[in-house]
Formats: sequence, structure tokens, C-alpha cells
Amino acid sequence: GAGVSQSPRYKVAKRGQDVALRCDPISGHVSLFWYQQALGQGPEFLTYFQNEAQLDKSGLPSDRFFAERPEGSVSTLKIQRTQQEDSAVYLCASSALMDEQFFGPGTRLTVL
Amino acid sequence: QKEVEQDPGPLSVPEGAIVSLNCTYSNSAFQYFMWYRQYSRKGPELLMYTYSSGNKEDGRFTAQVDKSSKYISLFIRDSQPSDSATYLCAMSGYNFNKFYFGSGTKLNVKP
Repeated sequence: GAGVSQSPRYKVAKRGQDVALRCDPISGHVSLFWYQQALGQGPEFLTYFQNEAQLDKSGLPSDRFFAERPEGSVSTLKIQRTQQEDSAVYLCASSALMDEQFFGPGTRLTVL
Repeated sequence: QKEVEQDPGPLSVPEGAIVSLNCTYSNSAFQYFMWYRQYSRKGPELLMYTYSSGNKEDGRFTAQVDKSSKYISLFIRDSQPSDSATYLCAMSGYNFNKFYFGSGTKLNVKP
């Protein structure tokens, strides 16, 4: 497909477990973004990559959150020792440089 | 105080009505202003974006930006049931690599 894909679409974790969320951006898109969207809220910026370089991680809520994009394409958002407050939809978006962001469908994370 | 404020609604209107959606913001550095539509369990999709102040029209949609008042609006003419969704405003500075979103307004257009 031509759009941004994310996997898994749904993830249930027990509190304290580690999770890894994957994002496949649109081919050729230089920029990649991660957002967290709590229920009934707008997306909140987490981090931004330009190719493999993580240029802004100011939105990551704690050091339990880690993102990488080692080859400048696929990205993984990892959350260690998940907490109930981490329950949210995690959205990935990609764009050409300084252009429209295209969003994936998101991964809905539920921490029990 | 959040950088972008948006009335969460819900807003319920009859089919054919004109809808007005609004956001206010506090950061004068914002230069790009976007409106996204989000259907349930989907990612946001871009409807329109404008740079700096002014109006922009695209079909039934009109976006307005008033930087002096730090206020942006989206108007939907001849609203349709298929317009029922959550509408999110978003803003960024010149670098266009960090977007600030409003909380979204849920719109329901009744047939």
C-alpha cells in the first residue's frame, strides 16, 4: 500500500511489560513523527526524525520511552515497564521535508 | 494553559447547515495552521492548511486565520452526514517539524 502503516493495530500489555510499536512510513519520506493521542484528546508530539537522525525528542514523557529509526525508513517506538497512564493511541506520521504529514491508523495500547 | 485551545463539542447540526469550528492559540511564533479530520479509529487526514493570516477556500471548506487575535476557523458549507467526524486544528512554526494540536471538536451531521 501507499500509505503509512503501523503494527500492531492493537496491543494489550500487563503493567510492567515492555512493548514495541512499529511504523512503516511512505517510501521516500524523509521525516517521521510519533504522537500520543489520549482518549478524547488531540495528538501530542513525542519525537521527530529526519532520516535516521532523531532531531527532537522533547515530547517523550519519560526515559521509559525510546524511539529509533536506524536506517532512515522503518521506526520503532519502545515503551519499557509500561504503566496504566501509557494507555493511548500511538500515531506515526511521515512527510517529505517541510510538507504535509500523512498519518497512519495508529496502535491502540491498553495497559492493564 | 495549553498552547492550542479547541472546544471539544460535541456539535450536532442538521444536514445542509453551515458549521463553524474554531481554535485559539497563545504562541505568536505559529506560522502554519492546519485542519485535520479524524474518523473513529483512523488517523487524522489533512483537510486544509494556510500560511500566516488570511482565508483559503477548497470546495465546501473555508479556513480563516486571524493572527492578530490568535484565532483560526474552519467553515463547512452544506454539511453532509459524511462530514461527521472529529476535527482537529494544528499549528507549527517555520520549521514545520513540530505540530501542536487542539483537543478536537466532534461533529455530528444529522440526515
